[in-house]
Amino acid sequence: GAGVSQSPSNKVTEKGKDVELRCDPISGHTALYWYRQSLGQGLEFLIYFQGNSAPDKSGLPSDRFSAERTGGSVSTLTIQRTQQEDSAVYLCASSWDGELFFGEGSRLTVL
Amino acid sequence: RKEVEQDPGPFNVPEGATVAFNCTYSNSASQSFFWYRQDCRKEPKLLMSVYSSGNEDGRFTAQLNRASQYISLLIRDSKLSDSATYLCVVPRNNNDMRFGAGTRLTVKP
Repeated sequence: GAGVSQSPSNKVTEKGKDVELRCDPISGHTALYWYRQSLGQGLEFLIYFQGNSAPDKSGLPSDRFSAERTGGSVSTLTIQRTQQEDSAVYLCASSWDGELFFGEGSRLTVL
Repeated sequence: RKEVEQDPGPFNVPEGATVAFNCTYSNSASQSFFWYRQDCRKEPKLLMSVYSSGNEDGRFTAQLNRASQYISLLIRDSKLSDSATYLCVVPRNNNDMRFGAGTRLTVKP
């Protein structure tokens, strides 16, 4: 497809389980972003990649969160030992010439 | 001071009204700015870019005040379809994009 693709679109998991969220950016976009949005809240910056490297990881909420990007393309955001406060929509975006193109998000619910 | 700060609203205006939102930022080195629109339960989409003093696109005008470190978004002749959350984006550098919390607008008949 032509847009940013995220999977899964919905994920329900039990507290303590690990989850992996995937983002497939628009081909050719070198910058890739992860944001988190809780219901009725703004976008919380998590991490961004320029190519395969992440210049700033300070937005990751805790050491349970990690992200990687390989081949300058697909990125995965991993949350270990999920907690209920991790429940949110996780949005991925890729960038061309300053404009961010978002995926539809992965809605995570931790029971 | 937050890096990017917006009045959360909500702004409730009648159709045809003119409404303006402000976004203040703390990084004086920022050179470009953006307004995004987010509909309920949808992903954000670019509305306007602001690179110098301002930008106009139809009913929408974005202005930049570097001295006071804020950008504004003006919507004239509001339509019902303008109801959304408007997000301000201030890059730390070319690629590190930080969003404000958003301003919610509801346009009523």
